[in-house]
Amino acid sequence: AQSVSQHNHHVILSEAASLELGCNYSYGGTVNLFWYVQYPGQHLQLLLKYFSGDPLVKGIKGFEAEFIKSKFSFNLRKPSVQWSDTAEYFCAVNAPRGSSASKIIFGSGTRLSIRP
Amino acid sequence: ETGVTQTPRHLVMGMTNKKSLKCEQHLGHNAMYWYKQSAKKPLELMFVYNFKEQTENNSVPSRFSPECPNSSHLFLHLHTLQPEDSALYLCASSQDQTDEQFFGPGTRLTVL
Repeated sequence: AQSVSQHNHHVILSEAASLELGCNYSYGGTVNLFWYVQYPGQHLQLLLKYFSGDPLVKGIKGFEAEFIKSKFSFNLRKPSVQWSDTAEYFCAVNAPRGSSASKIIFGSGTRLSIRP
Repeated sequence: ETGVTQTPRHLVMGMTNKKSLKCEQHLGHNAMYWYKQSAKKPLELMFVYNFKEQTENNSVPSRFSPECPNSSHLFLHLHTLQPEDSALYLCASSQDQTDEQFFGPGTRLTVL
């Protein structure tokens, strides 16, 4: 069965610090990978996604994520965070079209707090 | 604004009430989803509809009953709920079941 682990439940950083949020998944086949963000009082929205190709994916607002197949990981990074990055971040995994396991699974989320 | 709307935004109901949540998407997507978001718990997928057909029921209690009359509308009918059902209920849609999802703002449900 698929599963997604986000080990950091709450991360607190100062502005301009570098960020890395961990995401590990368990599924033996090809996967589609997503990071979603939920800003305070707003709806969930897509930050970036990986389907195939270059394992280093760039998203909105300066975020990027790297898919490392051998480690079953898809960690989210940003070199210099801003106060406006305060939000909850969710990693998600599903299998591509035609696969037997196409149900999307979300991680438990990581709450990011940025000190001004 | 994501193109996915949900009504009502807030709902308070007693355990014996019957109510419905509504979701509408204006994106021409084929798949629609209901999720439950509770404090300190992972986002829980409840139901998936693809081309109006239910393709996923994630062991959801029968007091939650989904309805998808067409690809643009999704309902969640509620009856005899429990206080532990209080949560934020999110609707989402996507072009197909493997693509990125667009989420609505959610309905904050409180069961007394």
